[in-house]
Amino acid sequence: GQQLNQSPQSMFIQEGEDVSMNCTSSSIFNTWLWYKQDPGEGPVLLIALYKAGELTSNGRLTAQFGITRKDSFLNISASIPSDVGIYFCAGRDSGGSNYKLTFGKGTLLTVNP
Amino acid sequence: NAGVTQTPKFQVLKTGQSMTLQCAQDMNHEYMSWYRQDPGMGLRLIHYSVGAGITDQGEVPNGYNVSRSTTEDFPLRLLSAAPSQTSVYFCASTARGEQYFGPGTRLTVT
Repeated sequence: GQQLNQSPQSMFIQEGEDVSMNCTSSSIFNTWLWYKQDPGEGPVLLIALYKAGELTSNGRLTAQFGITRKDSFLNISASIPSDVGIYFCAGRDSGGSNYKLTFGKGTLLTVNP
Repeated sequence: NAGVTQTPKFQVLKTGQSMTLQCAQDMNHEYMSWYRQDPGMGLRLIHYSVGAGITDQGEVPNGYNVSRSTTEDFPLRLLSAAPSQTSVYFCASTARGEQYFGPGTRLTVT
């Protein structure tokens, strides 16, 4: 099956710093999604990407659908303490079901005030 | 519009007991799915459904049953709970390629 590698596994940063994380897949994807999970809650969809090269922002968050269609990036600018949580990437491969997603194992972000 | 709801929020079972985790969505989504989340393992798909009356197995289906009698509801049944099923369970529904998660059920099997 598909493999989706997410890095880094964890990050410790100071408030105000920018953050970057990425996911790479072993196959071509036609959709990339980025989620955030707060402690004790379910993942919440942050950004959805549908076209190679697409760059989409949601406030201080910016995500890109890689041109090779095998990777995606999430950037957070000027981090604040409430950015703490686990960030997941998820993708749908071009040959698979229209609904099933493959998930990365997450990036745990800690922001020191 | 409540989105995806799950009950209970927390549950403790003894080994061998059975129970049903409830999931409901009010968005009229055809596709629903169940995941379990374990430390270091990410989200793993247990079962999914592409519509009422249609279900299929995901990555880790053993020990779990599902049914989909209505578009809104997608319950997950543990037939005989085992300590290996201690986990956090998430239900999700999907539309337009975007998947929306419920708040989760934290299950402990002793």
